[in-house]
Amino acid sequence: AQSVTQPDIHITVSEGASLELRCNYSYGATPYLFWYVQSPGQGLQLLLKYFSGDTLVQGIKGFEAEFKRSQSSFNLRKPSVHWSDAAEYFCAVAPNTGGFKTIFGAGTRLFVKA
Amino acid sequence: DSGVTQTPKHLITATGQRVTLRCSPRSGDLSVYWYQQSLDQGLQFLIQYYNGEERAKGNILERFSAQQFPDLHSELNLSSLELGDSALYFCASVSWSGTQYFGPGTRLTVL
Repeated sequence: AQSVTQPDIHITVSEGASLELRCNYSYGATPYLFWYVQSPGQGLQLLLKYFSGDTLVQGIKGFEAEFKRSQSSFNLRKPSVHWSDAAEYFCAVAPNTGGFKTIFGAGTRLFVKA
Repeated sequence: DSGVTQTPKHLITATGQRVTLRCSPRSGDLSVYWYQQSLDQGLQFLIQYYNGEERAKGNILERFSAQQFPDLHSELNLSSLELGDSALYFCASVSWSGTQYFGPGTRLTVL
């Protein structure tokens, strides 16, 4: 069955520290991959997406993600976290044939301490 | 700004009532998803429309219905409202690749 797993329900990091949020997927073929961020009471905002090509993808707000086919993973990273990065982060997948069946992970809530 | 608009931003109503939430997708996108997000259930997919036709249903209650109009805007109708229907309701405009662009949401409070 197709699924997306974000193993960490919440993570706390210190401001200025590096961040890695994990995402694993189960899919029949290499899907399109996405990371979204949601601030409290707001809609989800697309951070970055991977369709094909270079497995290291750059996104907005200084985030990047690396696609690892052998591990079925698409982890999100940021070298130095800012207090404004505190939010919930969602990993998502969609079929690589295009189309409209996107599956979201349960989300990881990021807390940033001063 | 995602280019997706949702109205109203906030809605407060009483149990048993009926409300309509509206969504206008990004220009050029034909598909719209509706989601419900609550603290205990997380982000739940409700229903998907593509170019006016229903394409997929998720965890949508029978009291809820939706439609997409010829101008591609969509409406989500919630009836016989219960306290547990209080939540954020999002629509997402979907591009051909599956990239979803979310609207700002409608916060529904049922008293």
